Amino acid sequence: AQTVTQSQPEMSVQEAETVTLSCTYDTSESDYYLFWYKQPPSRQMILVIRQEAYKQQNATENRFSVNFQKAAKSFSLKISDSQLGDAAMYFCAYRSLMNYGGSQGNLIFGKGTKLSVKP
Amino acid sequence: EAQVTQNPRYLITVTGKKLTVTCSQNMNHEYMSWYRQDPGLGLRQIYYSMNVEVTDKGDVPEGYKVSRKEKRNFPLILESPSPNQTSLYFCASSLFRDVGELFFGEGSRLTVL
Repeated sequence: AQTVTQSQPEMSVQEAETVTLSCTYDTSESDYYLFWYKQPPSRQMILVIRQEAYKQQNATENRFSVNFQKAAKSFSLKISDSQLGDAAMYFCAYRSLMNYGGSQGNLIFGKGTKLSVKP
Repeated sequence: EAQVTQNPRYLITVTGKKLTVTCSQNMNHEYMSWYRQDPGLGLRQIYYSMNVEVTDKGDVPEGYKVSRKEKRNFPLILESPSPNQTSLYFCASSLFRDVGELFFGEGSRLTVL
């Protein structure tokens, strides 16, 4: 079964600086999606960025970028020029492209990293 | 505006009193799913549906029921709620079961006394 591990329960960054959140995953599949979701205090789950495994180029969305290392099964999120509004819980998630077991289409989430931004 | 709408957002109820959490999406998505989020356990899938009248269990289905009579709606039913079902619930949808990201509703905070 696929697993997603976020080894940093909490992180802190100074406003305007850069922070990197770590994520590793375990899978035997070759095609899949990886995502970073943000959950602010409002509890809404907001998609930050997505990466298709077949794409070698790392995804980028404005101040957010990923370092996708497929062989190492690593998917880290870099936040540049951190802002107070970036403070939230960040979840790394995996989605299979293939049927396995009974949970088709399921997102497998890590336990999350709580990011604090200091003014 | 494309969205997934859940109701109620907050609910306090008592053990054994049947309740339904509604979920509706306006994106014509085929795939819909329910998750619960608990501290230290992350998000876990309860049930999912790949299309109208097609539903199946996720990882933690005990104590829950779902139905998918219309493409846009996917209600979560707790026939006899118990305190261990106190949780934050999310409904989510995507175009198909294996395409792209899931779009989430705003969450429903349920407390069972």
